[in-house]
Amino acid sequence: KNEVEQSPQNLTAQEGEFITINCSYSVGISALHWLQQHPGGGIVSLFMLSSGKKKHGRLIATINIQEKHSSLHITASHPRDSAVYICAVIPMNRDDKIIFGKGTRLHILP
Amino acid sequence: GAVVSQHPSRVICKSGTSVKIECRSLDFQATTMFWYRQFPKQSLMLMATSNEGSKATYEQGVEKDKFLINHASLTLSTLTVTSAHPEDSSFYICSARDLTGVRAPQLANYGYTFGSGTRLTVV
Repeated sequence: KNEVEQSPQNLTAQEGEFITINCSYSVGISALHWLQQHPGGGIVSLFMLSSGKKKHGRLIATINIQEKHSSLHITASHPRDSAVYICAVIPMNRDDKIIFGKGTRLHILP
Repeated sequence: GAVVSQHPSRVICKSGTSVKIECRSLDFQATTMFWYRQFPKQSLMLMATSNEGSKATYEQGVEKDKFLINHASLTLSTLTVTSAHPEDSSFYICSARDLTGVRAPQLANYGYTFGSGTRLTVV
């Protein structure tokens, strides 16, 4: 079993829909990242969080440390949001080793 | 914000040749640089970790003589794929940390910034 599990693996939605991507992890962590990887491959860090909730534009990330779970929400989704979204955690006992989920491939239809 | 510039973005090379990939931190000191490899539809896999001025630490199964990593300065790290073979074709990406937090405080505690990646095709 992977230490970081994301769901769903693939998601297709219509423009305007509210999107939720989930991440569960099995190790104690210092922080969690949500990353966005576009088809060209480049990766952008969307959020880094260790508690609570963060919001940036149409993106919201939440984390529940006790439940070892995080969610990434996209409101009013747009075709340009189509990308792979990756959850990554930094283990508490090894902050030089980031563990990546396999990613959620999101496709927003116009 | 903190930016890591990675070049080239794409490279096609002949089998047996060597390819160098560069990652430069543009506005902060990359005290630690990480190199990853990604196969299609797979997670990023850590290849090695390098700290400025010291030898890289390679993950199990990664050939250090094949994937040469140099981190000679706080702003530049390079990955050289030596004697490339078609099975080395992959997406390579770097990420950097600034543990000093001097110029990029958002990176000081567990923050990483990523390069844009290099797609290597060996023919």
